[in-house]
Amino acid sequence: QVQLAESGGGVVQPGRSLRLSCAASGFPLNSYAMHWVRQAPGKGLEWVAVISNDGSNKYYADSVKGRFTVSRDNSKKTLYLQMNSLGLDDTAVYFCARDDSDFWGGNPLDSWGQGTLVTVSS
Amino acid sequence: SYELTQPLSVSVALGQTARITCEGDNIGGKNVHWYQQKPGQAPLLVIYRDRHRPSAIPERFSGSSSGRTATLTISRAQAGDEADYYCHVWDSSTAYLVFGGGTKLTVL
Repeated sequence: QVQLAESGGGVVQPGRSLRLSCAASGFPLNSYAMHWVRQAPGKGLEWVAVISNDGSNKYYADSVKGRFTVSRDNSKKTLYLQMNSLGLDDTAVYFCARDDSDFWGGNPLDSWGQGTLVTVSS
Repeated sequence: SYELTQPLSVSVALGQTARITCEGDNIGGKNVHWYQQKPGQAPLLVIYRDRHRPSAIPERFSGSSSGRTATLTISRAQAGDEADYYCHVWDSSTAYLVFGGGTKLTVL
């Protein structure tokens, strides 16, 4: 079955960097656009970024634009989120999620990983 | 930027019908998706494209959308339905995904 497993979270100081990974299994990763969505403690869901199935198109939320970079290696069945210049407001659980198509639009996110916690603290 | 407004909380008696709304400009013209999230768990898609149910979701869950309001309806509410529920649309003007603020459903 479809499985998504995030890793790479942890405690990091403000201004530092962190890279998250999302390992995909049970489906052909190269057929689907993929998203990162985060959830600050006790808060709602916030979309972060999306990447098309072949990696040629990417979009970012205004809150992370210029600091975060989404990428993918379909041969390794892995999605990445490089996070630079982290701030306190970036503290959240980060989920990877599968779009139900190869390019995003009005599509649902039909599978989600369990998330990885990123804590930005001095 | 496009905004979605949900009530913070909805309460329903056991076995009764719960309705959770999601308001946004011309939301009836967009595809609306709904997610259920229980504490400590990942979100789970329960309704997609306004009214369609994934195969694993009970028929008690249904959705509708028109004008400014989309609605998630949960019939014969059960204790296991207690969760946070989020609506989601795609804002075509920015190509961004937008989530509502979430609604906490309590089954009394």
